[in-house]
Amino acid sequence: DSGVTQTPKHLITATGQRVTLRCSPRSGDLSVYWYQQSLDQGLQFLIQYYNGEERAKGNILERFSAQQFPDLHSELNLSSLELGDSALYFCASSVALGGTYEQYFGPGTRLTVT
Amino acid sequence: AQKVTQAQTEISVVEKEDVTLDCVYETRDTTYYLFWYKQPPSGELVFLIRRNSFDEQNEISGRYSWNFQKSTSSFNFTITASQVVDSAVYFCALTLQAPSGSARQLTFGSGTQLTVLP
Repeated sequence: DSGVTQTPKHLITATGQRVTLRCSPRSGDLSVYWYQQSLDQGLQFLIQYYNGEERAKGNILERFSAQQFPDLHSELNLSSLELGDSALYFCASSVALGGTYEQYFGPGTRLTVT
Repeated sequence: AQKVTQAQTEISVVEKEDVTLDCVYETRDTTYYLFWYKQPPSGELVFLIRRNSFDEQNEISGRYSWNFQKSTSSFNFTITASQVVDSAVYFCALTLQAPSGSARQLTFGSGTQLTVLP
């Protein structure tokens, strides 16, 4: 158990809908990362927050957005869902920016868009 | 931009055999960090090891060992006396040294599916 929690574990929804994925980092970790794992794209970095502020963006679609709240939990919002958004979405956390701190991953949320 | 290549898509071995997973990376930076993660069938990503670019000392941890060679940009992972429970997808990943206060993201390889047969 990495200490990172993600809810829900599974999500099935229809095209055009909007969903919210939730992540709670390990106790004491200030940095949260979101990754998408799909069969065709592999594991890709989406976005990163540090202590409530957005710090880096990767291959995140404009239909997707995220935020980190004062209690450090984070939410990833996916809207106007398409079939191609079906994937496993991971949240990871680390202690700080920079340095050598490894990222610990949550169990993931499996999103299926039908 | 950095890149991580895991040329072995799938490897199958019989229990108790040794197996090596290859990882080749590309980066122009001189300071970087390499990682191995394991993804068992249950789906979670489990951190295994981190190496710094300035520390080429190889490491052994139980049945696991890692061989880091900057000259060939490789960071290979060996499992000795493999077990059925080692069956998983193994990912090699790279991140760059980030100045204090800036972000750091992982670039992953495509993964190697290891199947250990009884």
